[in-house]
Amino acid sequence: DTGVSQDPRHKITKRGQNVTFRCDPISEHNRLYWYRQTLGQGPEFLTYFQNEAQLEKSRLLSDRFSAERPKGSFSTLEIQRTEQGDSAMYLCASSPFLQVNTEAFFGQGTRLTVV
Amino acid sequence: SQELEQSPQSLIVQEGKNLTINCTSSKTLYGLYWYKQKYGEGLIFLMMLQKGGEEKSHEKITAKLDEKKQQSSLHITASQPSHAGIYLCGAAQFGNEKLTFGTGTRLTIIP
Repeated sequence: DTGVSQDPRHKITKRGQNVTFRCDPISEHNRLYWYRQTLGQGPEFLTYFQNEAQLEKSRLLSDRFSAERPKGSFSTLEIQRTEQGDSAMYLCASSPFLQVNTEAFFGQGTRLTVV
Repeated sequence: SQELEQSPQSLIVQEGKNLTINCTSSKTLYGLYWYKQKYGEGLIFLMMLQKGGEEKSHEKITAKLDEKKQQSSLHITASQPSHAGIYLCGAAQFGNEKLTFGTGTRLTIIP
């Protein structure tokens, strides 16, 4: 197992276009998280799944954002009608479960630039 | 909601010197995580602290959680160029599955 994998690593898109990112978690990790990180800031929580169920969504996740994890394995994050403010690093993480004695493993991220 | 404040925001240290990064929480910490991030890359897990007064070390990095579980420090001894990067503290709240992160400390090591 090579860890959490994210694709693509970089994406440049024109404003108004839709984009989709993919995250492949560590196998057998039933929890998967999406975070967004802007320049000079720490990651901000967007949403998380336990298996295929989306259990929490941040208010940062506007109606233009949708995340899925259809079979409880990989996940996709789609942004519709992208805006310049969506430019950020989108990070995915997975864990067997996130309690106080278990860490989340992060992928390398997808850097989105909206022009 | 829980807020984490890191200090300093940036740090420039001569190679071989010691340094300390602090992370202060507005609420009691039920789990405190330290991550390192190279620019433009993902987060690398360093250490996790759970109990008040707990201290953990890995190679030249030591992390501590105070007895009140509201402040943590990360100490690097005899810094090396490989230590350069952004250090992030993240907190898990009791019963909450997400991590709240501080804004990070950017560490630069100079020869």
